[in-house]
Amino acid sequence: DQQVKQNSPSLSVQEGRISILNCDYTNSMFDYFLWYKKYPAEGPTFLISISSIKDKNEDGRFTVFLNKSAKHLSLHIVPSQPGDSAVYFCAASVDFGNEKLTFGTGTRLTIIP
Amino acid sequence: DSGVTQTPKHLITATGQRVTLRCSPRSGDLSVYWYQQSLDQGLQFLIQYYNGEERAKGNILERFSAQQFPDLHSELNLSSLELGDSALYFCASSQGGTTRGETQYFGPGTRLLVL
Repeated sequence: DQQVKQNSPSLSVQEGRISILNCDYTNSMFDYFLWYKKYPAEGPTFLISISSIKDKNEDGRFTVFLNKSAKHLSLHIVPSQPGDSAVYFCAASVDFGNEKLTFGTGTRLTIIP
Repeated sequence: DSGVTQTPKHLITATGQRVTLRCSPRSGDLSVYWYQQSLDQGLQFLIQYYNGEERAKGNILERFSAQQFPDLHSELNLSSLELGDSALYFCASSQGGTTRGETQYFGPGTRLLVL
């Protein structure tokens, strides 16, 4: 039972344009959401997070949007840069905690120069 | 470099065998987490230790066990290995495990191949 779903295994975006990565979840108890970025042969690296009391969180080029009624979140990267090419994982947890993160299967983002 | 180290990087073994994966958390971090990533899957949470005590458990098989030592490093023991245990095993650490919303810092992973 996949509680966090990333339905697009891959995405290609032109350099300088906006990248939008999507994530859906089924567990209404999730109240804290995170995005991690992963390069080959490295562990995931924390990118940005959002708690369920917000609907938007911004950090530089990265913005995460949360739509609780649709159980959907998205990560926007503007402008996209070649170094953004990586696998992006969406993750969620309960009670604003960090134990037991539930991860999606990831989306491979390729930025085309 | 996240500051979390994992050894070995790669491990090849046979079915039925037992292996031990090791993790050293970032300096000062008290919590250690173990995750398994099978092919084309997301990371699956296995277990968390906080300051030597088990704190949270995920879908960890009975054949798997872990512990955290007084120096805060952790070991994940996998026994009676099966082909399906082939995966990337990640360790992560965080400061205290008690502050909400703490960031988990991941090591580079150990790639296990069971033949």
